[in-house]
Amino acid sequence: DTGVSQDPRHKITKRGQNVTFRCDPISEHNRLYWYRQTLGQGPEFLTYFQNEAQLEKSRLLSDRFSAERPKGSFSTLEIQRTEQGDSAMYLCASSLVATARNYNEQFFGPGTRLTVL
Amino acid sequence: SQQGEEDPQALSIQEGENATMNCSYKTSINNLQWYRQNSGRGLVHLILIRSNEREKHSGRLRVTLDTSKKSSSLLITASRAADTASYFCATDGGSNYKLTFGKGTLLTVNP
Repeated sequence: DTGVSQDPRHKITKRGQNVTFRCDPISEHNRLYWYRQTLGQGPEFLTYFQNEAQLEKSRLLSDRFSAERPKGSFSTLEIQRTEQGDSAMYLCASSLVATARNYNEQFFGPGTRLTVL
Repeated sequence: SQQGEEDPQALSIQEGENATMNCSYKTSINNLQWYRQNSGRGLVHLILIRSNEREKHSGRLRVTLDTSKKSSSLLITASRAADTASYFCATDGGSNYKLTFGKGTLLTVNP
């Protein structure tokens, strides 16, 4: 059983550069989520997909952020023109669509830690 | 915005002791989940309790839920040094998709 994987685990970039992160969910899961976590805080929801459709975006997701899940499997999160305030841990999670049995348990990947210099 | 609030913010105990962490939330929920996070790592799912459940057990973990008080507690019995981590509660706020997390409780178990 392979869990949720994320790549890269760490990314250091200079302000103004673009970065892209990848998330591979648990294979049978049809929902995929992105969260952001800053130091000393809990994760905050950014966006989620059901299959390939992006169904909800948080107001935290500015125009510089874009997420895709082209074939309903892996997902990418791109940040354009990075700012120092984008420095955070970006977490991906996946789940099966909620049924009476599993109630939307979300399983998280190890995260990508972004540092913007 | 953070809906859940964990209490205490930090807890330090000796190995073998029990650790209790509390979580309060603001809106109605379908379920509440507890996660563990080791320093700088991803979140590990511990347990989910549904809104119509009052108590749930998993190994050394015991979770209670009081929807009238909008609160939950996580009890870890016979703690081990390996339990040292941050613990977060997360609620779905009735949305059935996004989770809202508190700031977490940092548990330190001293050997």
